[in-house]
Amino acid sequence: DSGVTQTPKHLITATGQRVTLRCSPRSGDLSVYWYQQSLDQGLQFLIQYYNGEERAKGNILERFSAQQFPDLHSELNLSSLELGDSALYFCASSVEPGETQYFGPGTRLLVL
Amino acid sequence: SQQGEEDPQALSIQEGENATMNCSYKTSINNLQWYRQNSGRGLVHLILIRSNEREKHSGRLRVTLDTSKKSSSLLITASQAADTASYFCATEGAGNNRKLIWGLGTSLAVNP
Repeated sequence: DSGVTQTPKHLITATGQRVTLRCSPRSGDLSVYWYQQSLDQGLQFLIQYYNGEERAKGNILERFSAQQFPDLHSELNLSSLELGDSALYFCASSVEPGETQYFGPGTRLLVL
Repeated sequence: SQQGEEDPQALSIQEGENATMNCSYKTSINNLQWYRQNSGRGLVHLILIRSNEREKHSGRLRVTLDTSKKSSSLLITASQAADTASYFCATEGAGNNRKLIWGLGTSLAVNP
């Protein structure tokens, strides 16, 4: 158990819908990262937050947004969902940017 | 863009044999990290090696770093079936960016 929690574990929805994925980092970790992992794209870095502020952006689509709240939990919002958004979405946290990241169990999203 | 590139993409060995995976990168780094992922699960941190270190050990794992060649290797000795997983390297770029860039991973199968 990494100490990072993600909810929900599984999500099945339809194209065009919007979903919110939630992540609670390890106690004491200030940085939160979101990743998307699909079979054909591998592990893709989406976005990073540090102490409530956006720190780095990766291959995040405009239809996706995220935020980190004052209690340091984070949410990833995916809207206008497409079939190709079906993937595993991981959250990770670390004490400082660039240091060891601890991954949550992931949310498996299926868009039908 | 991918910084780390793992080689080989896939590796299949017999239990008891050693497994070696390589990671090459393009720019100067602060550190290089190796992670393991069991199918459909979150990534688990294995070892972090800093740019001024050449070798690190953790149990049956040995990581080397050659900054002149911009490459690292992960050696798993006396492999076990439970080592079957995907292994990823990630590099933290030098300077203040502190963003991890991930490779595509090596898929290791250890056959009993």
